[in-house]
Amino acid sequence: DVVLTQSPATLSVTPGERISLSCRASESVDTYLHWYQQKPNESPRLLIKYASQSISGIPSRFSGSGSGTDFTLSINGVELEDLSIYYCQQGNSLPYTFGAGTKLELK
Amino acid sequence: QVQLKETGPDLVQLTQTLSITCTVSGFSLTTYNVHWVRQPPGKGLEWMGAMWNGGGTDYNSAFKSRLSISRDTSKSQVFLKMNSLQTDDTAKYFCARLKRRVFDYWGQGVMVTVSS
Repeated sequence: DVVLTQSPATLSVTPGERISLSCRASESVDTYLHWYQQKPNESPRLLIKYASQSISGIPSRFSGSGSGTDFTLSINGVELEDLSIYYCQQGNSLPYTFGAGTKLELK
Repeated sequence: QVQLKETGPDLVQLTQTLSITCTVSGFSLTTYNVHWVRQPPGKGLEWMGAMWNGGGTDYNSAFKSRLSISRDTSKSQVFLKMNSLQTDDTAKYFCARLKRRVFDYWGQGVMVTVSS
């Protein structure tokens, strides 16, 4: 199974700053790496697909990059509404797997 | 618009069987795939298995032979059935639509507690 390692586990942020979240795969997943945001008591919401493709309705401050085993989700100008947990997920091979998540909290 | 909704019990007794229904609208089960993902309280997401648009299924080996996924296309429903429940099966269970290897729509989830 492909293991996805997200770092950091928790990130303390200040509104307005630019941040980066990391997701590393135990083997290449090509660009079949997607990012989701999950707020408390809500379902995950797709933020970025295929490593870097934007999703309609998602603010442009969210962007993704990477391929193979190293991926990054960036938020350019964090807003309070972004305080959530972010998960990466690989769709390259079964079983599909998720990272353990990165929690954004207010500094 | 695309919607998925899970219905099932809040509470299941230890060693009993869990049955959850995912009712979808806005798309056809013969065109799109529906998968099951679960999330224990305070923990991350775990892929459980798939109902492919052609009717085939795949399962996470972590669930061995406990898990079964089926569907009724005429009712736009996908079913999850898992037996021999243990306390660590306490989780929120989601169904999600898979489009080209991406989970693009999710249900609201159903929280299931396994009670001893």
